[in-house]
Amino acid sequence: KQEVTQIPAALSVPEGENLVLNCSFTDSAIYNLQWFRQDPGKGLTSLLLIQSSQREQTSGRLNASLDKSSGRSTLYIAASQPGDSATYLCAVTLSNTGKLIFGQGTTLQVKP
Amino acid sequence: NAGVTQTPKFQVLKTGQSMTLQCAQDMNHEYMSWYRQDPGMGLRLIHYSVGAGITDQGEVPNGYNVSRSTTEDFPLRLLSAAPSQTSVYFCASSRGGTGAGNQPQHFGDGTRLSIL
Repeated sequence: KQEVTQIPAALSVPEGENLVLNCSFTDSAIYNLQWFRQDPGKGLTSLLLIQSSQREQTSGRLNASLDKSSGRSTLYIAASQPGDSATYLCAVTLSNTGKLIFGQGTTLQVKP
Repeated sequence: NAGVTQTPKFQVLKTGQSMTLQCAQDMNHEYMSWYRQDPGMGLRLIHYSVGAGITDQGEVPNGYNVSRSTTEDFPLRLLSAAPSQTSVYFCASSRGGTGAGNQPQHFGDGTRLSIL
């Protein structure tokens, strides 16, 4: 059974720091991996999607990498800002159906 | 575009009551899903649909029913509410077709449900 784990569960950093969020999965036979952002009381917003044949994706200050063989993904946030404060979730898809298996999330606080 | 719209936003039920959580999307997406989010458990898939008239079970389907009569709507029915169904429920949609699994998913803002 595929399991997705995110460490740490919570992270607090001062504004301007570069930071890395970690995601690991137990079965390397994934279709893709996605990173989402969730603000309090809101739904999820898709940030980056890495297909199984890709190694990384970038969007602005965000860079996500994927290493299928080791079952790991990282989300790198450059020059963090207070507006980046949110919960970040990673999820894997096992097939073309779009069904997602989520990690429990990392709650990030960026202090001014 | 409204995207994915969920109603109601909040609901309190008594044990044994039934209700329907509504989900509608205006993006002509073929794939729709229901997840529940619980503290310490992450999001777990309840039911999903790859098109009108087609539904299937996810990881935690017991106690829930779904139907997909139109592309736009995917309601989730609680048959007899139990305290264990207290949760935040999210509906999601994405495009189907070739490469459907690589389409980004769009989520609604959720329905916060409490069962007393």
